[in-house]
Amino acid sequence: NFMLTQPHSVSESPGKTLTISCTRSSGSIASNYVQWYQQRPGSAPTTVIYDDNQRPSGVPDRFSGSIDSSSNSASLTISGLKAEDEADYYCQSYDGNIHWVFGGGTKVSVL
Amino acid sequence: EVQLVESGGGLVPPGGSLRLSCSVSGFTFRSYSMNWVRQAPGKGLEWVAYISTSSSTIYYADSVKGRFTISTDIAKNSVYLQMNSLRDEDTAMYYCARSILSGAFQHWGQGTLVTVSS
Repeated sequence: NFMLTQPHSVSESPGKTLTISCTRSSGSIASNYVQWYQQRPGSAPTTVIYDDNQRPSGVPDRFSGSIDSSSNSASLTISGLKAEDEADYYCQSYDGNIHWVFGGGTKVSVL
Repeated sequence: EVQLVESGGGLVPPGGSLRLSCSVSGFTFRSYSMNWVRQAPGKGLEWVAYISTSSSTIYYADSVKGRFTISTDIAKNSVYLQMNSLRDEDTAMYYCARSILSGAFQHWGQGTLVTVSS
């Protein structure tokens, strides 16, 4: 099995652009799709990005996802940061060995 | 509108059992795989169990294998998680989630809280 490593926390000012990384410990990041979930305090997770870079309907286009094979990582970018974006964000992928793997989560603070 | 509603959580002593239910609506239940994902207090998300369409394929996380059983009732549009031999470390909010072929969890319920304590 592999692990997905995320920064514990990131912060940025409203209106700015923020990027969260998710680094895969072994195997290629491109081998399996990466998802990103947003979890506001006291609420269930919701999907903001699936299949590396796809946005579910209703998710604003300020959210975008990408993968970078050179660093073996995925990224979630939030542009035009708003106070409502303050939440925990989790990356997730499937290891092909009947396991679904989550990153440890990143707390996003909007200063 | 897709809806997933969990129920059945509560306080149970170590070694006890509990059955969680997830009632779904707004989509053709038999066409989607379902999962249980849990989150211990103040911790991150952990996948627990998966069941495919028609229940032909079932997977469990190593941490619950042999103790938990996932199942579905197509007629009741429901997925269940039977939890036996519960341990303190099973204390968590349990979410059901609908998944797609790529492995993405597409829709989530609001969760049901399980507390294992004497």
